Amino acid sequence: QQPVQSPQAVILREGEDAVINCSSSKALYSVHWYRQKHGEAPIFLMILLKGGEQKGHDKISASFNEKKQQSSLYLTASQLSYSGTYFCGTANSGGSNYKLTFGKGTLLTVNP
Amino acid sequence: GAGVSQTPSNKVTEKGKYVELRCDPISGHTALYWYRQSLGQGPEFLIYFQGTGAADDSGLPNDRFFAVRPEGSVSTLKIQRTERGDSAVYLCASSLTGTGFYEQYFGPGTRLTVT
Repeated sequence: QQPVQSPQAVILREGEDAVINCSSSKALYSVHWYRQKHGEAPIFLMILLKGGEQKGHDKISASFNEKKQQSSLYLTASQLSYSGTYFCGTANSGGSNYKLTFGKGTLLTVNP
Repeated sequence: GAGVSQTPSNKVTEKGKYVELRCDPISGHTALYWYRQSLGQGPEFLIYFQGTGAADDSGLPNDRFFAVRPEGSVSTLKIQRTERGDSAVYLCASSLTGTGFYEQYFGPGTRLTVT
């Protein structure tokens, strides 16, 4: 039931690109992406909704394949501030679409 | 504007004691959630409030855990007879209303350590 994230960790140099994937075994209503730095609250990045609508940051893009129940987060021209753990939270279709189930996270490290 | 706030930021307690964790959501947000995060894991859903009522408490691990939101704003998570396995960061989040359409904003969490 927990979505699967890949990769588990990635190391980049500043300016490089990265893709983080999130895959669910259930039909999804929405996918929520967060970034969390050590000891801090998860920070909202994006929501991708069934039907194609997206809400979130201008500089971060993502995709949502409803049929495959998969989402990908694209980080381009990475900055040092992008470092942190990225979590996807999935809301299942149906009556309990308020409930987010989170993956185990992807640790992103951006080096100078 | 003010975000979600949680107090205390850290709580150390002895096994068997009672603790209360407080969450103050964003003003105007009717939905409030409690999550628990263990080291190296994503947040795990505990309970969801829409207004004053607990609409879904299916994530509470057992009857030692209880939460209230009496006036539809501040919420308190209560843990009785704490056990070492309860040690974790307890996160609170709020959203405009309770559907997967709206983003959830998280507070900084309360780190609970049971000794």
